[in-house]
Amino acid sequence: DSGVTQTPKHLITATGQRVTLRCSPRSGDLSVYWYQQSLDQGLQFLIHYYNGEERAKGNILERFSAQQFPDLHSELNLSSLELGDSALYFCASSVSTHGSDEQYFGPGTRLTVT
Amino acid sequence: GENVEQHPSTLSVQEGDSAVIKCTYSDSASNYFPWYKQELGKRPQLIIDIRSNVGEKKDQRIAVTLNKTAKHFSLHITETQPEDSAVYFCAASNNAGNMLTFGGGTRLMVKP
Repeated sequence: DSGVTQTPKHLITATGQRVTLRCSPRSGDLSVYWYQQSLDQGLQFLIHYYNGEERAKGNILERFSAQQFPDLHSELNLSSLELGDSALYFCASSVSTHGSDEQYFGPGTRLTVT
Repeated sequence: GENVEQHPSTLSVQEGDSAVIKCTYSDSASNYFPWYKQELGKRPQLIIDIRSNVGEKKDQRIAVTLNKTAKHFSLHITETQPEDSAVYFCAASNNAGNMLTFGGGTRLMVKP
């Protein structure tokens, strides 16, 4: 157990809908990262938050947004869902913002868009 | 941005043999190179990492080597066991990037 929690574990929804994925980092970690893992794309970095502020963006679609709250939990919002958004979504946390900090991954949320 | 290439995409070895997975990266500013193991349906777990100020690091049956000049790094697993079967990902990052760029993954199968 990494200490990072994610809810829900599984999510099945229809195209065009909107969903929210939730992540709680390890105690003491200020950084949260979101990654998407689909079968043909591997692990893709989406976005990084540190202590409530956005720090870096990767290949995140405009239909996706995220935020980190004062209690440091983070939410990833996915809207106007398409079939291609079906994937495993992981969040990871680390102590600070250094690229060399170990990132601890949560168990993931499996999103299925039908 | 950073680009990480990983080879091979699949690797099948006999139990007890060694396995080697290789990665190359493009950004000379990258200075941190972790390796993750991911079992089916589970989260990626860090198994070993190396920073750019060292050339090799070992942890029991696992070792990682780094060649900064050639911009490549490798994972070596000796005396493989069936429980080593999983997908392995290499990654690279730098202090300014705040993110990991992953290779495409290697599916390792250890046959008993």
